[in-house]
Amino acid sequence: DGGITQSPKYLFRKEGQNVTLSCEQNLNHDAMYWYRQDPGQGLRLIYYSQIVNDFQKGDIAEGYSVSREKKESFPLTVTSAQKNPTAFYLCASGGVAKNIQYFGAGTRLSVL
Amino acid sequence: EDQVTQSPEALRLQEGESSSLNCSYTVSGLRGLFWYRQDPGKGPEFLFTLYSAGEEKEKERLKATLTKKESFLHITAPKPEDSATYLCAVQANSGYSTLTFGKGTMLLVSP
Repeated sequence: DGGITQSPKYLFRKEGQNVTLSCEQNLNHDAMYWYRQDPGQGLRLIYYSQIVNDFQKGDIAEGYSVSREKKESFPLTVTSAQKNPTAFYLCASGGVAKNIQYFGAGTRLSVL
Repeated sequence: EDQVTQSPEALRLQEGESSSLNCSYTVSGLRGLFWYRQDPGKGPEFLFTLYSAGEEKEKERLKATLTKKESFLHITAPKPEDSATYLCAVQANSGYSTLTFGKGTMLLVSP
């Protein structure tokens, strides 16, 4: 099946720990995105990538890092510098031309 | 700065009671306006894209319309399975532009 796979579904982070959220797509899309969603809030853009080996900061990039070594993969690391990481994280991919973004099922991150 | 405001924040309807959700936007030239549906604990599901004022798109009981300042998502004779949060997003017409999302309208349809 074509789609976007995020893992894990649930993740717990200890103080001072870095954690990595996985996002894989088999839609052959060039662009990939990471969003954060908090209760009652809209989606806020963390990072995005238009092509392999290139990515740009979104509106709330502080405390996060990404890599784009393969077209299919765009992992997000939540570093210990992110002091309020508890949120629902969504990965999306899309064609560059029309920019319709298709989303994964999300990862819910909580702090222990 | 691009802005998207959705109203109401929450809407409760009886099954079969038609209504509309509003998405007002401010953008420096609109490339596209997007509607998504999001069920609790899941990722948003793409519904429609509208590109120019006057455009309309339909899917089952949903119809999206677009003016120069706002978009409406009309829900005709809703069913309980239409209960979800509906998100609106805009893309500006400037180079490579990302999406700006509203906070969404939470719709609950009671049987």
